[in-house]
Amino acid sequence: GQSLEQPSEVTAVEGAIVQINCTYQTSGFYGLSWYQQHDGGAPTFLSYNALDGLEETGRFSSFLSRSDSYGYLLLQELQMKDSASYFCADMDSNYQLIWGAGTKLIIKP
Amino acid sequence: DGGITQSPKYLFRKEGQNVTLSCEQNLNHDAMYWYRQDPGQGLRLIYYSQIVNDFQKGDIAEGYSVSREKKESFPLTVTSAQKNPTAFYLCASRESAENYGYTFGSGTRLTVV
Repeated sequence: GQSLEQPSEVTAVEGAIVQINCTYQTSGFYGLSWYQQHDGGAPTFLSYNALDGLEETGRFSSFLSRSDSYGYLLLQELQMKDSASYFCADMDSNYQLIWGAGTKLIIKP
Repeated sequence: DGGITQSPKYLFRKEGQNVTLSCEQNLNHDAMYWYRQDPGQGLRLIYYSQIVNDFQKGDIAEGYSVSREKKESFPLTVTSAQKNPTAFYLCASRESAENYGYTFGSGTRLTVV
């Protein structure tokens, strides 16, 4: 089977940096995706890591270590609009996504 | 503008009724997906279709049915056999196997009354 574990909630301060971790156990792993979802809204694609290392896109970066079955999403210069749930998802051999339960990011002024 | 349109945004169903959720995309994407999301949980795959006139069951297909008669359309029917249908339903599409990003519709919130 496949499963992804991420913290249920993370709290940070506006302007700070926060890291959301994701560990996975999968029978066939092709890459780790990250999505953002605001309350009541649709998930939006943030990033995808197929290879080890760091991928940077503006204020957001995503990291993958296949040997450790671990990845994280790093958000810098936090803004109030970043308050949302963040999901990691594993891409399997059929390009289907297996989703983690999501991490709710709470940002305080 | 290209995107995925889901309708209705809110839907109320009586016990024993079948209801159909609409999903239309004008992105020319090959693959389409239906997910169910319950509060505080991740997305669970109901059905997916990679080409017209073909679809496969996901992890929680029981009590649901789909069709893919046109590339643009992938409607989901929630049947009376689905005992706990109250949830947020999301439709998504993806261009091809090489494109890793999924595009989502804005969702339909189904409530049983």
